[in-house]
Amino acid sequence: DTAVSQTPKYLVTQMGNDKSIKCEQNLGHDTMYWYKQDSKKFLKIMFSYNNKELIINETVPNRFSPKSPDKAHLNLHINSLELGDSAVYFCASSRTRLAGGNEQFFGPGTRLTVL
Amino acid sequence: ELKVEQNPLFLSMQEGKNYTIYCNYSTTSDRLYWYRQDPGKSLESLFVLLSNGAVKQEGRLMASLDTKARLSTLHITAAVHDLSATYFCAVDNQGGKLIFGQGTELSVKP
Repeated sequence: DTAVSQTPKYLVTQMGNDKSIKCEQNLGHDTMYWYKQDSKKFLKIMFSYNNKELIINETVPNRFSPKSPDKAHLNLHINSLELGDSAVYFCASSRTRLAGGNEQFFGPGTRLTVL
Repeated sequence: ELKVEQNPLFLSMQEGKNYTIYCNYSTTSDRLYWYRQDPGKSLESLFVLLSNGAVKQEGRLMASLDTKARLSTLHITAAVHDLSATYFCAVDNQGGKLIFGQGTELSVKP
């Protein structure tokens, strides 16, 4: 039943490690997103894919690399983790904007803690 | 560059009272969204406002959009404890991005 799912829900790791977060949506949407929510709850978009094509690529360190194997999946790989990467990462999806809106549906979030 | 500002950022209300959260944005847009986030949880879509003058209501919450003033309001009527959460507005920058406000942390006390 879950519309947008993410794994893992929690991720605790050491500085310098590489980790991945996976996202899947079963809403039939064409567009998927990664957001970062910091400790002050500020939400900022990182990336967006439309039908497996990267369409938004914000100013994010190149240690972050998204990958979309198909339009229902969007993964986020992070190399050489730093303390400042600690945050909650949300995946979201929406219909194509031209289809009438950009209402985005969010996954449960992945809380990343870098020690 | 589109900027979105909410106020207040923190709101402590008594049950039964009314209050309004404001969302101002800096450049033209006619698409605005309100979300609710409970502590440690995801964001839940509350309202989608897609034109000037749009008004949507759900229970004790009512949202409106004035694109000329670049302002949206989220009005809370007769607050109850269950409404305690953080509320975000988000504005479509016309390029497919949602720009979020800082969030308003609402606490409703008996």
